[in-house]
Parts: sequence; structure tokens; C-alpha cells
Amino acid sequence: EDQVTQSPEALRLQEGESSSLNCSYTVSGLRGLFWYRQDPGKGPEFLFTLYSAGEEKEKERLKATLTKKESFLHITAPKPEDSATYLCAVPAGSSSNTGKLIFGQGTTLQVKP
Amino acid sequence: EAQVTQNPRYLITVTGKKLTVTCSQNMNHEYMSWYRQDPGLGLRQIYYSMNVEVTDKGDVPEGYKVSRKEKRNFPLILESPSPNQTSLYFCASSAKGKPQHFGDGTRLSIL
Repeated sequence: EDQVTQSPEALRLQEGESSSLNCSYTVSGLRGLFWYRQDPGKGPEFLFTLYSAGEEKEKERLKATLTKKESFLHITAPKPEDSATYLCAVPAGSSSNTGKLIFGQGTTLQVKP
Repeated sequence: EAQVTQNPRYLITVTGKKLTVTCSQNMNHEYMSWYRQDPGLGLRQIYYSMNVEVTDKGDVPEGYKVSRKEKRNFPLILESPSPNQTSLYFCASSAKGKPQHFGDGTRLSIL
């Protein structure tokens, strides 16, 4: 069964304290892994797509990496405005489209000044 | 501006009173989806559509209906809402093979 698991569920950091969020997946034939950021009361906002093991993407203080079993979202020197829930998702099953997505439950990050 | 628009944003209603949540996208995307988000359960897909007149069930389709008569619109219909359908609902759209763009959500309360 296709599955996505994120850890930790919640993470509190001091401003400037770097850390990593984990997304483990079990899917038959990975066809992309997506990272999203979600602010309270808002829809998820797309951050990155990773397609193959070894791939890395960066945006400001965020860097996403991918292995054959998991993805990491590294946050370097975070600021309070990075506080949000971070979600990862993978296309389900053998479909080559992104019509059916499976989301992890998310990691809620709080960065204190 | 590229966007996914949901209406209404908030709705309080009663058990059994049929309701429709509309979703419209202006990006000419083939794919559209509906999700519900509940505390502790995350985002779960209700239905998705790969093009006009092509829809399929997600993980939690019971109690919901959808239709895709036009490419830009994908309404979610609750024929006889029940309290366990109280949730935060999101519509999303994407081009084939691309990440999904989400609307701002509809908070639905069924008493």
C-alpha cells in the first residue's frame, strides 16, 4: 500500500537553529515527490518537486533532497516567518499523472525569535 | 493572476440540506481534485478529475459527488450532509505531471 510518513509531527526551533524534516515514502514506482508549505487557514503552497534519488532543490533557507526511500527538507538558519506546516506528497500507484496524490500528515514548525 | 477560487469560504448548515461548494481555475489545467483536511488525519483526497467528464474516487469519496462539465469548474456536492463531513475542504488543479495549485479552502460546519 502506498504510504507517506512525516517526522517529527512538531518541531520548535530557535531563530538561527538549523534542522531537518523527514518524509519517508512507500510507493510502487516514484513519479515525483512534492513539498508544500501551509500557513494556518490557507491552502498548501508549492515549494519543490524532486524526481530522482540524489536530486536537490534550494529556495532561500530551504533545501530538499531525495533518496530512494525518503526525502529531507533542510532548514538553514530559520527565521520566525518560516513557521508553518510542511507537507510532502507523492503520486499514488502506477499512474504517471499527479491526479491522485498521497500526503503525509505534515510537520508543524515553530521558529521562535 | 493564476488562481484556484473556491466558494463559499465559510458555511454553517444543517444535516440533510444539500449543498454545493464551487471550484474554478483559470490556468487551463487538465487535473482537478478535492481534499478534506482534519486534525490528526492530514489532507485526504475525496475525488479527482483528469479532464472534462473524467472523474475518479480518491481515498474518502463516501457522501460526496462531483462533476466536471467544463474544464475550469469542478464543484463538490454534498447531497445529504452529515456532521462527520464538518471539515476544511480544498480544491486543487494542475497540469499533467506538474504540482497542484490549491485554493484557500472552504470551512464547512454541519450541525
